[in-house]
Amino acid sequence: SQELEQSPQSLIVQEGKNLTINCTSSKTLYGLYWYKQKYGEGLIFLMMLQKGGEEKSHEKITAKLDEKKQQSSLHITASQPSHAGIYLCGADTRAAGNKLTFGGGTRVLVKP
Amino acid sequence: GAGVSQSPRYKVAKRGQDVALRCDPISGHVSLFWYQQALGQGPEFLTYFQNEAQLDKSGLPSDRFFAERPEGSVSTLKIQRTQQEDSAVYLCASSPNVITSNQPQHFGDGTRLSIL
Repeated sequence: SQELEQSPQSLIVQEGKNLTINCTSSKTLYGLYWYKQKYGEGLIFLMMLQKGGEEKSHEKITAKLDEKKQQSSLHITASQPSHAGIYLCGADTRAAGNKLTFGGGTRVLVKP
Repeated sequence: GAGVSQSPRYKVAKRGQDVALRCDPISGHVSLFWYQQALGQGPEFLTYFQNEAQLDKSGLPSDRFFAERPEGSVSTLKIQRTQQEDSAVYLCASSPNVITSNQPQHFGDGTRLSIL
């Protein structure tokens, strides 16, 4: 989607290294959702951010939403092969959120 | 059910045939969404239901695409006179109620549609 840009498009990291994925919107985000997708499967919900400056963590994954609510980052600490997959950010860009607009995804490969 | 269930998982059809894709949302979820995901891209919104009411169908690419949810639970996405450009993964998602609460959408595994 042209409304939501993800970077990088793909990423190869050595096991144990950290990685960061960015998601930038041209509009104010009323809700930002991070999902993970493995090939041939559906999207697995990771985290939801709604407030400017919000930060959430689950296991080794941390997601942040900037104060202006137009950019989010997903950070994985000490990556493992299980972290491999496609990471997608999805956003509500309207106050009455329903449909999500998705970025193009970031393909992550973790080398053992 | 425990999660969103979609069937069939794979569908191959000849150009010009009609297809029907089924989605069983999580039990009790009021909101239901359909997305289309082309190879190597993020999902694109197609349509949205609140119970049986189709509140947004702005993403449907043509009048060949039709979705329904007659009893407010199971939904069917129908594509008439399929074209090769309809080849994609069709994802269904449900949420408790996007109008009354901000909760995430939960996705099924999708139906991979291939038009020959």
